[in-house]
This record gives sequence, structure tokens and C-alpha cells, in this order.
Amino acid sequence: SQQGEEDPQALSIQEGENATMNCSYKTSINNLQWYRQNSGRGLVHLILIRSNEREKHSGRLRVTLDTSKKSSSLLITASRAADTASYFCAMLQTGANNLFFGTGTRLTVIP
Amino acid sequence: NAGVMQNPRHLVRRRGQEARLRCSPMKGHSHVYWYRQLPEEGLKFMVYLQKENIIDESGMPKERFSAEFPKEGPSILRIQQVVRGDSAAYFCASSPRWQDNEQFFGPGTRLTVL
Repeated sequence: SQQGEEDPQALSIQEGENATMNCSYKTSINNLQWYRQNSGRGLVHLILIRSNEREKHSGRLRVTLDTSKKSSSLLITASRAADTASYFCAMLQTGANNLFFGTGTRLTVIP
Repeated sequence: NAGVMQNPRHLVRRRGQEARLRCSPMKGHSHVYWYRQLPEEGLKFMVYLQKENIIDESGMPKERFSAEFPKEGPSILRIQQVVRGDSAAYFCASSPRWQDNEQFFGPGTRLTVL
């Protein structure tokens, strides 16, 4: 299975701190995407990084990709209580039609 | 431009009944994907469709589950003779073309089987 592994499974931080989530996968990919899911809700697309990119920024988000280590990280800077959610990485495997999702990191930001 | 629409948002069925879930992709998107999410887990791929064609159904259970995306109208995920283990959130996503594009997700349908 290509399902990604994320760590930590759960992360609790104070508002204003940075949050880092990691994702590892097994085979070659075309791109890797990060999604946020609030409890009981749908998924919100955060950022897409292609296999030939190493780093990407979007507002308070910074994503890195290391294809040699088959890993990616999502950094949320200056966290806010509204960032409380589950975060999933999703890989578009080379030659595949669909996204393979990681197991998710549940982030809690304490006001 | 409306996002991906799914209905119903919540569906309750008794064991043995049929569940029919609908998904309208974003305007201009011709690729639809269905995913299932069990409680406290990530999403698992079920099926990928283009208009009138099933492209990849490798994640679909072999029995009781079927999907279609007709020329006109929404994509339908159909579950016959539902069992308690079918209780989950079912998400639909669409993209303008496959590969290398972000997928836009609908709000999901939460199916509860009593």
C-alpha cells in the first residue's frame, strides 16, 4: 500500500508557536499535497508541491519535499486557534489515477 | 463558481437497504473521484470516473458497490444491501484533468447504517 505515514499522530501547541508535521511515503510520486480537515467536515486543499520542487510557501505555510528520503514536512508558523484541525498529506503516485492519503496529524492549538 | 456539491450530507439507512450518494463536480471538471473515510482514519480511494467511463475502480469493493458518471447529471455512488461496516464518510473530488492537479473535495456524505 502506498498510504503515507504521518507523524506525530497528535500535536498540541500554544497559540503563536510553530507546528511541524511530517509525512513519509514508499514509492515515486508526481506530486504531494496537503489538506486540512476540520472535525466532521470536508477537506480543504492547502498546498501542492511537485516532485521536482523542494520547498513551497503559502502564507503561514511552508512545505518541503525530499524525494531522496521520500518525505515531506508541513510547517505552520505563528499558529492560531483556528488552525486546530486534522492535517493529511496525499501523494499522487507516478502512474496512478488517485491520491493516496496519509494517516493524518491531529493538531490542537491552545488559545 | 460553485464548489463540488454532494448530497445528501447525511444519510441513514437500515441494514439491507440501498444507499445512493450524489456528487456534482465543479464546473468545467470532467474527472471525478470517490473516497471513503472511516472514523479516525485517512481517506481511501474507491473509484475514478470520467464522463460515461469508469477509469479505475481498484479501490471499490467487488460486491454491492457501483459508481457511474453519466453524460448528464451528477456522479452516483450506489451501495446495495448496506451493512454496518459501510458506515463512513464518503467524499467526492473533482479535477479538470487527471494527473498533476489538485483535487477539489466536496463536503462529504456521512452514511450511518443502523
